[in-house]
Amino acid sequence: RKEVEQDPGPFNVPEGATVAFNCTYSNSASQSFFWYRQDCRKEPKLLMSVYSSGNEDGRFTAQLNRASQYISLLIRDSKLSDSATYLCVVNNDYKLSFGAGTTVTVRA
Amino acid sequence: EAGVAQSPRYKIIEKRQSVAFWCNPISGHATLYWYQQILGQGPKLLIQFQNNGVVDDSQLPKDRFSAERLKGVDSTLKIQPAKLEDSAVYLCASSLDLREAPYGYTFGSGTRLTVV
Repeated sequence: RKEVEQDPGPFNVPEGATVAFNCTYSNSASQSFFWYRQDCRKEPKLLMSVYSSGNEDGRFTAQLNRASQYISLLIRDSKLSDSATYLCVVNNDYKLSFGAGTTVTVRA
Repeated sequence: EAGVAQSPRYKIIEKRQSVAFWCNPISGHATLYWYQQILGQGPKLLIQFQNNGVVDDSQLPKDRFSAERLKGVDSTLKIQPAKLEDSAVYLCASSLDLREAPYGYTFGSGTRLTVV
């Protein structure tokens, strides 16, 4: 079983729509969780951390469910600039494990 | 603040040839990582350094890959001999310290390797 699994998508949504996707992780002892964003042919960049209580950063909302071992990301009011691959990332003992990514394409 | 520098940006080699990549982390960053990202996959950790010592190299194919971080600053990753399946982007990342890693990763732009 992979350490981090994601729905690859692609999610193709119109501007202004809401899009949400999940990832699951296998190690119940994982300490912290993140979403990274990767644009085409670019390096990954930290989007946001994910906390058990849920957290928001503007139009982005992240949730963590430790009991079911899944993490979610919701994007409200999608913009064209949100088109990217979103990588689910899990920290185990200061080493980050990356999912394969969920591709989101926002169309005009 | 200057970012993580990597070179070259692109490299095309024939199978069985050798290749080396270079990474210069952000100044003062003690922890350095090399990742391999194959097209359509997430980055996979190859090796992790803390200063000039190896913390984890469990996923480094040691029969053909080697890495060093002399003097605890810049690092080189070498593949010898290369195989077709080594075609990937090789990403270097650094963080201030091991405990800061999850929150303070900065990636370089990567080296895109094509083995033909």
